[in-house]
Amino acid sequence: DAGVIQSPRHEVTEMGQEVTLRCKPISGHDYLFWYRQTMMRGLELLIYFNNNVPIDDSGMPEDRFSAKMPNASFSTLKIQPSEPRDSAVYFCASSSGADITDTQYFGPGTRLTVL
Amino acid sequence: GDSVTQMEGPVTLSEEAFLTINCTYTATGYPSLFWYVQYPGEGLQLLLKATKADDKGSNKGFEATYRKETTSFHLEKGSVQVSDSAVYFCALSDQGAQKLVFGQGTRLTINP
Repeated sequence: DAGVIQSPRHEVTEMGQEVTLRCKPISGHDYLFWYRQTMMRGLELLIYFNNNVPIDDSGMPEDRFSAKMPNASFSTLKIQPSEPRDSAVYFCASSSGADITDTQYFGPGTRLTVL
Repeated sequence: GDSVTQMEGPVTLSEEAFLTINCTYTATGYPSLFWYVQYPGEGLQLLLKATKADDKGSNKGFEATYRKETTSFHLEKGSVQVSDSAVYFCALSDQGAQKLVFGQGTRLTINP
C-alpha cells in the first residue's frame, strides 16, 4: 500500500491567502484525522472523520479553519485567511477503526509557512 | 481531561547505552497506551502499544509495560543505536474514543 499521501509537502504563502492541504488515506480505512504540530503546542488533533462524516472538530482553532471529506479517498484542510501563527506541520492520519486500539497511520506531513 | 506527560528532553546518549523515557498519564477510564516514533522529516509511526494493565508492548528492542498503579508507560531499550535517533511520543486512547492524546515528545540523539 502507498500509505497516507499528503500534498503539498511544503507550502509557503503570504498572510491573508487561502491555503488548502490535501490528504488521501489508506484504502479501506474508515477514520481520518488531521493534526497540527508546532514547537510550542506539540501535536494537536484538529478534527477527525468516520465514514466521511466529521465526528469531533473541537480542536479546530477558529472559523478560519475548515475541513471536508467529500469521499472515502480524499480530504482537505483549508485555512482562509491564513496568518503567520498558522505556520506548522500538518499531518493527516488514517485508521481502520475496527478496534479503538487500531494503529493510526500518519502521512509525511505538510510544512506550512505563512509570511 | 485526559493528558500525557513525558520526561523533558532532549536526551543524548552514547551508542549501546540503556534508554529510559518516562511517560505518565491521566485518564478517567481505562486507556490504551502507545509509543510513536518520528524520524527526521517523516510522519509518526507506531512503535508499540499496550491495551490493558500489566500488558507489555515490544518492538525493535524497545519495551514498555502498562502500569495502572503508577499510571505509567515508560519506554526502555537495553542498547541503543545511532539509528534510534528520533522524537518519541507517548499517547493514550481512551475507551470508546478514536482520538489519541499525545505527550509533548522527547527528542533522542544517539552519538556513535
